[in-house]
Amino acid sequence: AQKITQTQPGMFVQEKEAVTLDCTYDTSDPSYGLFWYKQPSSGEMIFLIYQGSYDQQNATEGRYSLNFQKARKSANLVISASQLGDSAMYFCAMSWHRDDKIIFGKGTRLHILP
Amino acid sequence: DARVTQTPRHKVTEMGQEVTMRCQPILGHNTVFWYRQTMMQGLELLAYFRNRAPLDDSGMPKDRFSAEMPDATLATLKIQPSEPRDSAVYFCASVLSGLNTGELFFGEGSRLTVL
Repeated sequence: AQKITQTQPGMFVQEKEAVTLDCTYDTSDPSYGLFWYKQPSSGEMIFLIYQGSYDQQNATEGRYSLNFQKARKSANLVISASQLGDSAMYFCAMSWHRDDKIIFGKGTRLHILP
Repeated sequence: DARVTQTPRHKVTEMGQEVTMRCQPILGHNTVFWYRQTMMQGLELLAYFRNRAPLDDSGMPKDRFSAEMPDATLATLKIQPSEPRDSAVYFCASVLSGLNTGELFFGEGSRLTVL
């Protein structure tokens, strides 16, 4: 089955703390990608980070890192030193290189508290 | 500035009416997706096309939804007849097949309200 699961509907985190947003996936294909999008209250979709299934090292982009654990089929997003502007909805997504299909999880709404 | 363009941005209609949403993908992108966003279901994939051919429309209610790409610069999503449960934000996104970077280019969405 092709599935993306985000188990945290909402999270509250104190400013400057690190945040981990959970994401698990299910696929039998060997070639795929995992990535995260941020959706602020304005509604736009902002691409954050991408990890290919064959990449040996975890992806990092500034304060974002993707904790890829292939055996556990998890792709958690870690935001270091959270900021008020990080308050948004975050979507985990998966793509299959075989046919370019891309599906999203239900999202986690992150609230950063001052 | 290349962007995905969606029309209309907002649509309020009455139950039973036909609704057509349009999307102009980024020039050169050959893969186009339609997603529906609701509070309960997040972003659901409705259908997607590659080189104008439908690859998967299993996420669409077939009895009332239809998606087409009349040409490479236009994708349409039609609902007929519309129902209140169709109220959502509909996103179109495009990408060049095979790049495998994860970066989809999204339109601004069409917010549909069915009364």
